[in-house]
Amino acid sequence: AQRVTQPEKLLSVFKGAPVELKCNYSYSGSPELFWYVQYSRQRLQLLLRHISRESIKGFTADLNKGETSFHLKKPFAQEEDSAMYYCALPGAGGTSYGKLTFGQGTILTVHP
Amino acid sequence: SQTIHQWPATLVQPVGSPLSLECTVEGTSNPNLYWYRQAAGRGLQLLFYSVGIGQISSEVPQNLSASRPQDRQFILSSKKLLLSDSGFYLCAWSGASGGARETQYFGPGTRLLVL
Repeated sequence: AQRVTQPEKLLSVFKGAPVELKCNYSYSGSPELFWYVQYSRQRLQLLLRHISRESIKGFTADLNKGETSFHLKKPFAQEEDSAMYYCALPGAGGTSYGKLTFGQGTILTVHP
Repeated sequence: SQTIHQWPATLVQPVGSPLSLECTVEGTSNPNLYWYRQAAGRGLQLLFYSVGIGQISSEVPQNLSASRPQDRQFILSSKKLLLSDSGFYLCAWSGASGGARETQYFGPGTRLLVL
């Protein structure tokens, strides 16, 4: 069964420090992973998807199939990055078609 | 442009009372629709999803049910609420062609407190 694990419920860094939010997955096949973010008083929204290979708000995420990881990274954290971050994995097909499995989420706090 | 609405925004209900949460989408047709629950310390849990009118897939055994009476309307219901039903309920939609690989767009959520 597919699974997404975010080992850190809480992560605190200071402004300007690098930040890495961890995500590990379990999946048989070629995965396509996402990061969603929920800022305070805003709706949950897509941050980035690995297939796009783009940097959004300074964040990047690389899919490492050997380590089954999709960690989210930013070299210099900003206070406005404080939010809840979810890693997510879509189902492969069949009865899993349409199903998106989310990790438990990591609350990132960036201190001034 | 597409928008998604949920109501009510907040609800306080006694144990054993019924529940009806509504979600509607505008500006798109034949979307995939989803109900999630965000409970404290438990992340985001998929409850139901629907790929069309009257087509509902249930992910978690529980006393909740979902219905899709119209293409862009998704309703979450319960006949008798339990304390454990408290949480933040999110509705989401996505385009249908790519299944769960499509970006999901979330509503503002309903905060439910069962007392």
